[in-house]
Amino acid sequence: EAQVTQNPRYLITVTGKKLTVTCSQNMNHEYMSWYRQDPGLGLRQIYYSMNVEVTDKGDVPEGYKVSRKEKRNFPLILESPSPNQTSLYFCASRRNGGGNTIYFGEGSWLTVV
Amino acid sequence: KNEVEQSPQNLTAQEGEFITINCSYSVGISALHWLQQHPGGGIVSLFMLSSGKKKHGRLIATINIQEKHSSLHITASHPRDSAVYICAVGPNTGNQFYFGTGTSLTVIP
Repeated sequence: EAQVTQNPRYLITVTGKKLTVTCSQNMNHEYMSWYRQDPGLGLRQIYYSMNVEVTDKGDVPEGYKVSRKEKRNFPLILESPSPNQTSLYFCASRRNGGGNTIYFGEGSWLTVV
Repeated sequence: KNEVEQSPQNLTAQEGEFITINCSYSVGISALHWLQQHPGGGIVSLFMLSSGKKKHGRLIATINIQEKHSSLHITASHPRDSAVYICAVGPNTGNQFYFGTGTSLTVIP
């Protein structure tokens, strides 16, 4: 079954404590991306990757890091989380090119206190 | 500046009503996507289209490339259709997707 898997699904953490949200896809997609979703703002892209070892900033990259060492994995790293990073995060993947179906993970609810 | 605009933002309908959600975009596109997000849930792709019309069950999506406009129609709406519907475009240059802010639909029995 085609899947994008994120973990953890729910997390409450404290300001400044580094955390990683993992993302894995089993469709051999080149393109992977991270989004955050906030009320009234819709989905905003944090980072994306067009292939292994290739990453680029999206619209809201501040406070986040990513890596793409393997094709299937694209972890999102918050080195020093702050309360304004409290949000719902989605990982997504697809083949390169805007004309391909995009697959989303189930979402990760992150609260930073 | 929003590359993708959706309307309405919120929509309440009685069960059985015909529903239309609109999406306008300002960039040249490879394809337009309609996504569905249930409360507390993930996001699934309903349609991907680059021209004409597609139908899946009670859902119909249309696109007019010249006018840069798409509509999502739901016929004989049902409470289980209650969700947020998101329009997204994949531009014909670059790899970034642009998303609308979504339309929250509530269908009342």
